Amino acid sequence: AQTVTQSQPEMSVQEAETVTLSCTYDTSENNYYLFWYKQPPSRQMILVIRQEAYKQQNATENRFSVNFQKAAKSFSLKISDSQLGDTAMYFCAFMKHSGGSNYKLTFGKGTLLTVNP
Amino acid sequence: KAGVTQTPRYLIKTRGQQVTLSCSPISGHRSVSWYQQTPGQGLQFLFEYFSETQRNKGNFPGRFSGRQFSNSRSEMNVSTLELGDSALYLCASSLPDNEQFFGPGTRLTVL
Repeated sequence: AQTVTQSQPEMSVQEAETVTLSCTYDTSENNYYLFWYKQPPSRQMILVIRQEAYKQQNATENRFSVNFQKAAKSFSLKISDSQLGDTAMYFCAFMKHSGGSNYKLTFGKGTLLTVNP
Repeated sequence: KAGVTQTPRYLIKTRGQQVTLSCSPISGHRSVSWYQQTPGQGLQFLFEYFSETQRNKGNFPGRFSGRQFSNSRSEMNVSTLELGDSALYLCASSLPDNEQFFGPGTRLTVL
């Protein structure tokens, strides 16, 4: 079974600054996906970024980027130029890649990020 | 393209009753997954359906069941409700081997 650990229950950052959220995972699988989802106060779960384990290059989406260290089983999210709208709960999630037969997401407990003006 | 929709958005029931929640996936998505979110347990996988077949099931009692229709819409049912079933129930749809897109959720309160 896979486990996902987010060691920072809460974090805060000043507007326009950079913040990094940590995530580690445990799996015996070699092919998998990792995701960061954002859940603002509206409770709508929004995909922030995805990473395929077979890709060495770290994924980037505008102000969001990841540091994927496969050997260390680490998957951190960096948010640059933080904005007030980034205030949300952030979840790290794991999904095994198995030819389309398994779509279970395993989530971490989440990190509550507050961006201060 | 319309996103994942869930109905109803809010629901209040009493212990012992049963409830049915509905989820309409993004057009073209045939996989629908259900998750339960509570403050104590976090996000937990309930089950996943693809082409009207349940492919995966999480560790929940048999009171939790679901089904999927030919148009990919899905329903989940909880029978004999308990206080601990109070939660946000999230539905997500996806294409094969792709990220899941979530609906706004159904907030269930059991009194």
